[in-house]
Amino acid sequence: DTAVSQTPKYLVTQMGNDKSIKCEQNLGHDTMYWYKQDSKKFLKIMFSYNNKELIINETVPNRFSPKSPDKAHLNLHINSLELGDSAVYFCASSLLLAGATDEQFFGPGTRLTVL
Amino acid sequence: AQSVTQLDSQVPVFEEAPVELRCNYSSSVSVYLFWYVQYPNQGLQLLLKYLSGSTLVESINGFEAEFNKSQTSFHLRKPSVHISDTAEYFCAVSITSGTYKYIFGTGTRLKVLA
Repeated sequence: DTAVSQTPKYLVTQMGNDKSIKCEQNLGHDTMYWYKQDSKKFLKIMFSYNNKELIINETVPNRFSPKSPDKAHLNLHINSLELGDSAVYFCASSLLLAGATDEQFFGPGTRLTVL
Repeated sequence: AQSVTQLDSQVPVFEEAPVELRCNYSSSVSVYLFWYVQYPNQGLQLLLKYLSGSTLVESINGFEAEFNKSQTSFHLRKPSVHISDTAEYFCAVSITSGTYKYIFGTGTRLKVLA
């Protein structure tokens, strides 16, 4: 069974479009995250949710809006896509509230290419 | 502010040779330390972590890392690498107070050559 799953795996779209990436975890974890990994493999946290509540919101453009319908799902909606949004987006989860000691479980990633 | 530095962006090494991937961190508060591995086209997986106690921690596949508080380092080592160890390795710190989050290093690409 896949622990953290993301769809789609690849997303190619035009500048200005709106797109969503879905994430689901079946681990029973309370906390979920979105990370952005750029072309140089630099990994930066974007958002963190705990039990559907926003905990961490890093300096991310307002065009990015996370939505957590329940604690097992954290979706990422991006409006007005720009070239600079091209990256691999990873969803992750951990057992406790952004637990400092917790292992984070990562999804396989969604490669977004904006043309 | 906390930061993590991985000085080596790429490390090529021959199979069965030893390897060390370096990680240094900066923090004014106590941290927990992690190494994650990312195989091609996959997400990150935890390799090992240091929370407290013995400063030498080991993974199930032969990697080990030693926490050195005076040098603020958490270098990853393996005495004999395999082709299958080829991957991107990320060092991360988690601060122990305030808003808990990871800060990742920029990664080191380990390429094991036959």
